[in-house]
Amino acid sequence: AQSVTQLGSHVSVSEGALVLLRCNYSSSVPPYLFWYVQYPNQGLQLLLKYTTGATLVKGINGFEAEFKKSETSFHLTKPSAHMSDAAEYFCALSGSRLTFGEGTQLTVNP
Amino acid sequence: DAGVIQSPRHEVTEMGQEVTLRCKPISGHDYLFWYRQTMMRGLELLIYFNNNVPIDDSGMPEDRFSAKMPNASFSTLKIQPSEPRDSAVYFCASSFLLGGQGNTEAFFGQGTRLTVV
Repeated sequence: AQSVTQLGSHVSVSEGALVLLRCNYSSSVPPYLFWYVQYPNQGLQLLLKYTTGATLVKGINGFEAEFKKSETSFHLTKPSAHMSDAAEYFCALSGSRLTFGEGTQLTVNP
Repeated sequence: DAGVIQSPRHEVTEMGQEVTLRCKPISGHDYLFWYRQTMMRGLELLIYFNNNVPIDDSGMPEDRFSAKMPNASFSTLKIQPSEPRDSAVYFCASSFLLGGQGNTEAFFGQGTRLTVV
């Protein structure tokens, strides 16, 4: 069975600080992995994805994530947080259906 | 393509009434998903279709909920009768299979905010 675990339902950082949102997965086949962002009162928007190839993937708004098979992780990072990054972030795993994590609410403090 | 289109964007209805939510997936996508999002339960998968056929409806909460996909470009989610606890944002998403290994990313609609009073 597939599963996704996001560590930390709430993360708070200062503006300009490093953003690190954690995601671990369980899959019996090579995974496709995604990060989505949801701003208030909006739908989910794709930030970045890993399917095959390079394990470090870059997305929109300066975010990137690294696929680490040995650690079954796909953590999302951004070197310097901006106020506009405040949102909810979802990690997802693909099989015949997408399996989503519980989400992490990111707060950026001035 | 205009993306996944959902209607209505907002729906307010009285308890006991029938509610129908609509979704037009992206052309060429052969998977369609219905999700519900609430503060208490987060994002829940209700049902998904492949090539217009329901594959997994184990997330549908009760018999009051039903979903159909009569063709590749249209799906409905119906609640009859509606109850206040059905109040949530309902999302439709579509995707396609990539290389036989898994689905590519799901493209989400803007959602329907349902309020049952």
